[in-house]
Amino acid sequence: AQKVTQAQTEISVVEKEDVTLDCVYETRDTTYYLFWYKQPPSGELVFLIRRNSFDEQNEISGRYSWNFQKSTSSFNFTITASQVVDSAVYFCALSEAAITGGGNKLTFGTGTQLKVEL
Amino acid sequence: AAGVIQSPRHLIKEKRETATLKCYPIPRHDTVYWYQQGPGQDPQFLISFYEKMQSDKGSIPDRFSAQQFSDYHSELNMSSLELGDSALYFCASSLRPKNTGELFFGEGSRLTVL
Repeated sequence: AQKVTQAQTEISVVEKEDVTLDCVYETRDTTYYLFWYKQPPSGELVFLIRRNSFDEQNEISGRYSWNFQKSTSSFNFTITASQVVDSAVYFCALSEAAITGGGNKLTFGTGTQLKVEL
Repeated sequence: AAGVIQSPRHLIKEKRETATLKCYPIPRHDTVYWYQQGPGQDPQFLISFYEKMQSDKGSIPDRFSAQQFSDYHSELNMSSLELGDSALYFCASSLRPKNTGELFFGEGSRLTVL
């Protein structure tokens, strides 16, 4: 069974600080996808990034960066120079790369509430 | 670009009533997923459909049913509503043959059961 663990329930930082959100996953699949979603107070799920299990290249996109380490089953997410607008719940999610049936059902972590204060 | 459309966005019902949520996937997407997110919880997978057939089933109560129609839109029917059904219900769609793993989520339908 797939499992995603976000050990950090809530993180508070002061604006302009860097913050890293941790995600550890479990799966028996050799091919899978990892995601980060942002859920602001308005409730919608905003897609941030997708990584497949064969792509361990880490990436920086603006103030966001990701660190995918297959050896430790971790997919951490860093916001550089955080802003108040970054305040939201961040979900890490995992799906298997379905070849037949079922599509790409997501298993979510329990989320990390990020609060960025002035 | 067209996104996943969910309606209604907000719904208030009494206990034991019935509610229906609708989802219109991104054009040409053939797979629809339903998720339920309770207050302070992570989204939980309920059910999915591929080409109008149920493809996977999660923690969907027996009081709930869903289907995907010929135009690929989907409806989630919830009967004998309970207070615990109050949640944000997300629909997502994908194009399975492309298999990039990405699901596109709607903005959610917030159901409140009084």
